[in-house]
Amino acid sequence: DAGVTQSPTHLIKTRGQHVTLRCSPISGHKSVSWYQQVLGQGPQFIFQYYEKEERGRGNFPDRFSARQFPNYSSELNVNALLLGDSALYLCASSHGLHDTQYFGPGTRLTVL
Amino acid sequence: DQQVKQNSPSLSVQEGRISILNCDYTNSMFDYFLWYKKYPAEGPTFLISISSIKDKNEDGRFTVFLNKSAKHLSLHIVPSQPGDSAVYFCAASAWRTGANNLFFGTGTRLTVIP
Repeated sequence: DAGVTQSPTHLIKTRGQHVTLRCSPISGHKSVSWYQQVLGQGPQFIFQYYEKEERGRGNFPDRFSARQFPNYSSELNVNALLLGDSALYLCASSHGLHDTQYFGPGTRLTVL
Repeated sequence: DQQVKQNSPSLSVQEGRISILNCDYTNSMFDYFLWYKKYPAEGPTFLISISSIKDKNEDGRFTVFLNKSAKHLSLHIVPSQPGDSAVYFCAASAWRTGANNLFFGTGTRLTVIP
C-alpha cells in the first residue's frame, strides 16, 4: 500500500515569494495534518483537516493557509516567504480525527 | 514553551543491549503518547503508542512505559540492533480536548554500535 506522498521533494524560493506544497494521504484516510520541522527541533503543528474542514490550527501567522480537497489530498500555502520559513514541511494522514498519524517524507523548503 | 521534552540529545548502545529513551511532558491534558523514528531524508515513522489508561504497551522489541504521576514515558528497545540507529521523537496529544495535533520533543539520536 502506498504511504503518504508529498510533492515536491525539494524547493528553493526567494523572500517574498509564494509556495504551494502538496500531500496525498494514505488511501482511506480522511484527515491530513501539516507540520513544520526546523533543524534541530521536533515537528511543530500547523494545521489539521478532516473531511475537508479545518479542525485545528497551530501558532503560525496568517501567511500560512491550507485546504483539503474532496479526494482528501491537501495543499499548504505560504505567502510572503521569510528566511525563517526554511524548514522541512511534513504531511501526516490518519484514518479518523483521533487516530495515529502517519507521516510522508516531507518537502524541504529553502528560502534565500 | 516546550510541553514535551527529551533531555538526552544522543545515546549510544552496544548491539544486543537495551536502549532506553526518555521523555517528559508538562501538560496534564495529554492522554495519548507516541514514539516515532526518523532516518535522514525521510519522514517520521510510527513505532508504538500508549493511551493514558495504560502504563505499558509492547510491540515486539519495543515497549513503552508511562508514569502519569511523574509525567514521564520511556521507550525500551530490546535487543538493540544497528538498524535501530535513528533519531527518536516522543509525541503527545490531548484527545480528550477534541484535538489531535501532536506536540513533539526535540528528539534523541540513538546510535547502536555493532
